[in-house]
Amino acid sequence: NAGVTQTPKFQVLKTGQSMTLQCAQDMNHEYMSWYRQDPGMGLRLIHYSVGAGITDQGEVPNGYNVSRSTTEDFPLRLLSAAPSQTSVYFCASSYSPSGNAGELFFGEGSRLTVL
Amino acid sequence: AQTVTQSQPEMSVQEAETVTLSCTYDTSESDYYLFWYKQPPSRQMILVIRQEAYKQQNATENRFSVNFQKAAKSFSLKISDSQLGDAAMYFCAYCGLYNFNKFYFGSGTKLNVKP
Repeated sequence: NAGVTQTPKFQVLKTGQSMTLQCAQDMNHEYMSWYRQDPGMGLRLIHYSVGAGITDQGEVPNGYNVSRSTTEDFPLRLLSAAPSQTSVYFCASSYSPSGNAGELFFGEGSRLTVL
Repeated sequence: AQTVTQSQPEMSVQEAETVTLSCTYDTSESDYYLFWYKQPPSRQMILVIRQEAYKQQNATENRFSVNFQKAAKSFSLKISDSQLGDAAMYFCAYCGLYNFNKFYFGSGTKLNVKP
């Protein structure tokens, strides 16, 4: 019963380094998204995808890149890490509900620290 | 753009008592969904309750219930018979009926439960 799997759970980077946060879901959900959580600001949408090959920007996309080559995977790339990107990152998936309201299914989160 | 506001950064409740967390939102859409998510110290986001805007009846899930006032754009969460395990961050969230790729979150309310 995996659901949404994120890796790594913790990461420390130096300014300027790049890295990829991995996200995979096994529920065949069409929608996937990345959020960042900062103290006092809740969760903010970075990028999202409505299906394989289709991505779009959310509220705070700068400094991040995404792609979606398969339904299951939605990696988030930090191109050149900055201290402002220190945050907890959540991957989530959702679906178009038929009958009942949809919801977001979250991964366990990844804590990223940029020094 | 949609906004979600939680005006109570932190609240406390005595075990077995009742507490109400407030949430207001702003939208020009007529059909949408509202959610309350719980985030315990484990960081995992857990769906508590959801409400379809087109339903007049307030949603209820065991000890959790909402007071949905569509005209006032208010969506409060009532927790009855509070338990120590209810201590967590609570986030109010909104998504449009046809935008399951975009969720908007409030800044959260930290709930403390006193034994």
